[in-house]
Amino acid sequence: AQTVTQSQPEMSVQEAETVTLSCTYDTSESDYYLFWYKQPPSRQMILVIRQEAYKQQNATENRFSVNFQKAAKSFSLKISDSQLGDAAMYFCAYRSANTGNQFYFGTGTSLTVIP
Amino acid sequence: EPEVTQTPSHQVTQMGQEVILRCVPISNHLYFYWYRQILGQKVEFLVSFYNNEISEKSEIFDDQFSVERPDGSNFTLKIRSTKLEDSAMYFCARRVGSTEAFFGQGTRLTVV
Repeated sequence: AQTVTQSQPEMSVQEAETVTLSCTYDTSESDYYLFWYKQPPSRQMILVIRQEAYKQQNATENRFSVNFQKAAKSFSLKISDSQLGDAAMYFCAYRSANTGNQFYFGTGTSLTVIP
Repeated sequence: EPEVTQTPSHQVTQMGQEVILRCVPISNHLYFYWYRQILGQKVEFLVSFYNNEISEKSEIFDDQFSVERPDGSNFTLKIRSTKLEDSAMYFCARRVGSTEAFFGQGTRLTVV
């Protein structure tokens, strides 16, 4: 099974500042997908951003961007201009492009945004 | 993006009872997942369902669990004899193309 590790159980950021959430993963495959999901207090899982491993360019979605380092098996999420609504649990996830279908999730990082 | 809708949003059941959790309504989606999240813990894979058959399942998905798509739209997860440790959020998800999954809002199951 693939392993996804989020080493920061909790993070905090001042409103309007930038924060980076870390994620590393373990795989022997070369073709896969990586995701960041947000889980607000409502507990719904919301897709924030995705990255295809074959793409060298880092994905960006408005204030959210990733730093994908394939050789290091690292996939961090940067949130710029943090807003109060960004407060949530953030889960990093991996899915193989070839074998199996399931998504493997990390243990999550709880982000607090300080007004 | 259209969401996956789950019902009920919250269910309380007595230990040993059967429960059925539903994704409704869904059409023309072939790939589904069930995940669960015990409070404060990671999101765990239960089963994937493709073209009306189980595609993959985890160790958690033992004989007390079953999935089906009884009428071509509703996608259900049945737990035959609930245990206290089954208390969790259960998420249904659909996969879009070959990449991401979109999750429903979840069903909070409480076993008492």
